[in-house]
Amino acid sequence: QVTLRESGPALVKPTQTLTLTCSFSGFSLSAGGMCVSWVRQPPGKALEWLALIDWDDDKYYNTSLKTRLTISKDTSKNQVVLTMTNMDPVDTATYYCARFYYYYAMDVWGQGTTVTVSS
Amino acid sequence: DIQMTQSPSSLSASVGDTVTITCRASRGISNYLAWYQQKPGKVPKLLIYAASNLQSGVPSRFSGSGSGTDFTLTISSLQPEDVATYYCQKYNNPPMFAFGQGTKLEIK
Repeated sequence: QVTLRESGPALVKPTQTLTLTCSFSGFSLSAGGMCVSWVRQPPGKALEWLALIDWDDDKYYNTSLKTRLTISKDTSKNQVVLTMTNMDPVDTATYYCARFYYYYAMDVWGQGTTVTVSS
Repeated sequence: DIQMTQSPSSLSASVGDTVTITCRASRGISNYLAWYQQKPGKVPKLLIYAASNLQSGVPSRFSGSGSGTDFTLTISSLQPEDVATYYCQKYNNPPMFAFGQGTKLEIK
């Protein structure tokens, strides 16, 4: 059974750096075609794709947020970490990680973690 | 970057109706198009991948079609539990895997 779970702070202050961890099980991020992606959703708004890391350690970012995002993986721990710098209240959202299995899109999602940016 | 445009942004239909949601890409994306359903307060769920392939466990009243720039999600025999917001997503190649802006479906 494939599962993913996001963890991180519920509250960050403006200008701080957010670090989120996606812990997963049931698949290997070393397997060809396997990727993990991050998506966020501000309250009442649409889904926004943020970043993706693949089995070959290639990394892709939302071009609008690229300068603020870093994605990395620890295959031995089955974890993917997303950092976002210079947080602002507009970054308040639920952040999801999801498995992206090439051609099959984002087939399994975590439950999401809510992050509020406020002083 | 390729932009994804969904229409309509919202719609209301009756139980038993057939509903169609469209998604248009600003450039061709072959068939690398997915559809997700997000019920209120819930996690998004994959319905359709590669434009027309039904994800395992998804009811057969959901179907997808299209290729290139124009895609559709069709829900036949609409059920009350289909109330949700539906999103398309392109994933043909990086760097962007953009979502559409969503279509909110309600029951009359």
